[in-house]
Amino acid sequence: DAGVIQSPRHEVTEMGQEVTLRCKPISGHNSLFWYRQTMMRGLELLIYFNNNVPIDDSGMPEDRFSAKMPNASFSTLKIQPSEPRDSAVYFCASSLWVSEQFFGPGTRLTVL
Amino acid sequence: GESVGLHLPTLSVQEGDNSIINCAYSNSASDYFIWYKQESGKGPQFIIDIRSNMDKRQGQRVTVLLNKTVKHLSLQIAATQPGDSAVYFCAEIAGNTPLVFGKGTRLSVIA
Repeated sequence: DAGVIQSPRHEVTEMGQEVTLRCKPISGHNSLFWYRQTMMRGLELLIYFNNNVPIDDSGMPEDRFSAKMPNASFSTLKIQPSEPRDSAVYFCASSLWVSEQFFGPGTRLTVL
Repeated sequence: GESVGLHLPTLSVQEGDNSIINCAYSNSASDYFIWYKQESGKGPQFIIDIRSNMDKRQGQRVTVLLNKTVKHLSLQIAATQPGDSAVYFCAEIAGNTPLVFGKGTRLSVIA
């Protein structure tokens, strides 16, 4: 298995633009997690899905953030409109349950 | 992916020495604990886990100790190598809730 796949690896955009981050979890995993990592706040859980259903989105910072999981092999995290303070590394992780999570390589987002 | 907070604890260890990274957790209901390693530019990677009914678990060069009385978790790395340089996170699970990650500790190995 290739592990968790994220795209793009790097994204540079201007304030106000829409940003879409993509994730393909490990085949067979039924839980998917989106995290944000910054120097100031460390690793923050934004939202997680179980069997494609959002379970807890209390970590999503604002309405500008949204996440979807249309099927078991794909998820997106969208920011619209983006702001400079959204600059961070965004990780996707998947697991069979809420136990050991396997992380993707991350997407480094820079909003100018 | 940088994971350094402005106040991230740092541990510097001479190559070949043993490292001990500590973590305090707050939820007495946590029943499963995991240590992750994050190297620069990568996502966190699973190292070792332990369930609350155990107080020690050993892996290859790593040992995790759990003291539920004082809610303390430690990761011991034997014969530390330059490749061990990374940020280490402890994480805990209580029931069906997802992992809660600690802030992390940066391990720096001096060659």
